[in-house]
Amino acid sequence: DQQVKQNSPSLSVQEGRISILNCDYTNSMFDYFLWYKKYPAEGPTFLISISSIKDKNEDGRFTVFLNKSAKHLSLHIVPSQPGDSAVYFCAASPISGGYNKLIFGAGTRLAVHP
Amino acid sequence: EPEVTQTPSHQVTQMGQEVILRCVPISNHLYFYWYRQILGQKVEFLVSFYNNEISEKSEIFDDQFSVERPDGSNFTLKIRSTKLEDSAMYFCASSGPGGREKLFFGSGTQLSVL
Repeated sequence: DQQVKQNSPSLSVQEGRISILNCDYTNSMFDYFLWYKKYPAEGPTFLISISSIKDKNEDGRFTVFLNKSAKHLSLHIVPSQPGDSAVYFCAASPISGGYNKLIFGAGTRLAVHP
Repeated sequence: EPEVTQTPSHQVTQMGQEVILRCVPISNHLYFYWYRQILGQKVEFLVSFYNNEISEKSEIFDDQFSVERPDGSNFTLKIRSTKLEDSAMYFCASSGPGGREKLFFGSGTQLSVL
């Protein structure tokens, strides 16, 4: 089941530069999208979300862009910091009766080096 | 910041044994979830729970699995007769009164079935 795809398993970026993580989805019933960050031995930590009625949401250094026609979203981190090094998961939620059943992508491991 | 707590952090059991994984969700949350991540694979939805009943479950969540909220604070996942393929990191999560808000995840219980 590949409803949410993160095609880049890893990304390496220099400190201070922009990190762009990409995610594609296939199910047009998804209407809510989230990015989570995960460190080893910890649970996923919420970063930022976007509803399908928007095409951009910004929170500090993190911006998520949604292109519904392309079924694509991306997470921009500017500027990247070494502490951002983690696995980033894209997740999508189908239209539902009020709860979040999240479908996760496989994750992208981001390494930010000095 | 309030957090979801899970115990134990590691659980080793023999195949065929029953295990109970425990979680204390965030106190004012109303929606509760279990997810799991088999090593090297995606984080997968298992079950959602609201108003003292299962609201949705995945095909993974068969008759060997059950969830319970025995009191006002705990949320448990029971696996009646564990199989080797149940070995995974199990994450509990909860979300707020709106339901479609972000999920907060616990740090997980690493279950190893021998």
